[in-house]
Amino acid sequence: QQPVQSPQAVILREGEDAVINCSSSKALYSVHWYRQKHGEAPVFLMILLKGGEQKGHEKISASFNEKKQQSSLYLTASQLSYSGTYFCGTAQGGSEKLVFGKGTKLTVNP
Amino acid sequence: DVKVTQSSRYLVKRTGEKVFLECVQDMDHENMFWYRQDPGLGLRLIYFSYDVKMKEKGDIPEGYSVSREKKERFSLILESASTNQTSMYLCASSLGPSSRGGFFGQGTRLTVV
Repeated sequence: QQPVQSPQAVILREGEDAVINCSSSKALYSVHWYRQKHGEAPVFLMILLKGGEQKGHEKISASFNEKKQQSSLYLTASQLSYSGTYFCGTAQGGSEKLVFGKGTKLTVNP
Repeated sequence: DVKVTQSSRYLVKRTGEKVFLECVQDMDHENMFWYRQDPGLGLRLIYFSYDVKMKEKGDIPEGYSVSREKKERFSLILESASTNQTSMYLCASSLGPSSRGGFFGQGTRLTVV
């Protein structure tokens, strides 16, 4: 079951913040966040496994809510290099089978 | 560095042909995946394999089959290619359990004419 991502697209100026959400109707085993730049393969950012977990990666961090049905990706003080499409991937029921959302296209302008 | 290698970057095939897309990873990963990527639809899972000869259907398995005879190699087979299978195909692998992320190949752009 494909997770739902929102928003579909966001345009920022350098230095602005953004939040990307990923939700599922069922409790998740794990949430994975990836970024894909145009013409390139998706690249792993981080994985969340536990309800209530928060993780950071430079100025990009993510949370996983207590019910393990929603995750958010936080991009603070955005840089031009943050531009790309962000995907959340989710797994259910202890399985490693990873299903992705439709993606959020982030554009950071000077 | 983990490497996931797909055999072709670009392929052009005729309708009705049997098509093989090959994927090889060099890090002894248990899990391997085949996705297709189309504009506005994101990454859709075709098949997943969690061990040699073990597979699970993804969301869109119709018209596809897979083969995993060796741990490092995962093949996607289009039994009879059709124009609606024109797409970007991405292979990925990961080390289970989910304590680490996955790695994607560079993709194969398949055009069926």
